[in-house]
Amino acid sequence: DTGVSQNPRHKITKRGQNVTFRCDPISEHNRLYWYRQTLGQGPEFLTYFQNEAQLEKSRLLSDRFSAERPKGSFSTLEIQRTEQGDSAMYLCASRKGIGGQQYSGANVLTFGAGSRLTVL
Amino acid sequence: DAKTTQPTSMDCAEGRAANLPCNHSTISGNEYVYWYRQIHSQGPQYIIHGLKNNETNEMASLIITEDRKSSTLILPHATLRDTAVYYCIVRANFGNEKLTFGTGTRLTIIP
Repeated sequence: DTGVSQNPRHKITKRGQNVTFRCDPISEHNRLYWYRQTLGQGPEFLTYFQNEAQLEKSRLLSDRFSAERPKGSFSTLEIQRTEQGDSAMYLCASRKGIGGQQYSGANVLTFGAGSRLTVL
Repeated sequence: DAKTTQPTSMDCAEGRAANLPCNHSTISGNEYVYWYRQIHSQGPQYIIHGLKNNETNEMASLIITEDRKSSTLILPHATLRDTAVYYCIVRANFGNEKLTFGTGTRLTIIP
């Protein structure tokens, strides 16, 4: 197992363009998370999936952002019409959750190395 | 989730124990204390977590005060590779999937 894999590691784009990031979690992990981190700040929660179901979205996730996990394995995070304020590190994490949605279990996440987005 | 307060930065000599404090005076009875760290250009890495008893693993020890209003992460023999930002997070294990990271403590290990 190679851990959580994120691609691309770096993306430079012009304002107004669309970008897509991919996350491949650890294979037996059913829960997958996206976080965003700007310079000098800690990561901020964006959304999470249990298998293919997107169960929670932060209000940080504007209409321009969409995340999918179609087969409950890899996930994509797409940003449409990028703005300079979208420049950040986008982090993916996964874990094996037990129980239903109410019982979260110990929140021991394995993070990927992140995808750094620069919007010019 | 309860708010946490950590010093902005700390230094520690290589080979010495690094003691990182965290205040969480509004912690609730069902909330755990988690520690993660983030080495430059990497994603956060889980270190340890606990509820009220002291915990130890291969990476660190976690000491939680009896009133649970503060805790200390101890790296027993710090190495240069321990230079990182350390995040203290308080979170319940029920009905909440979010980890709320603050700005953490930037620990620098000095040779």
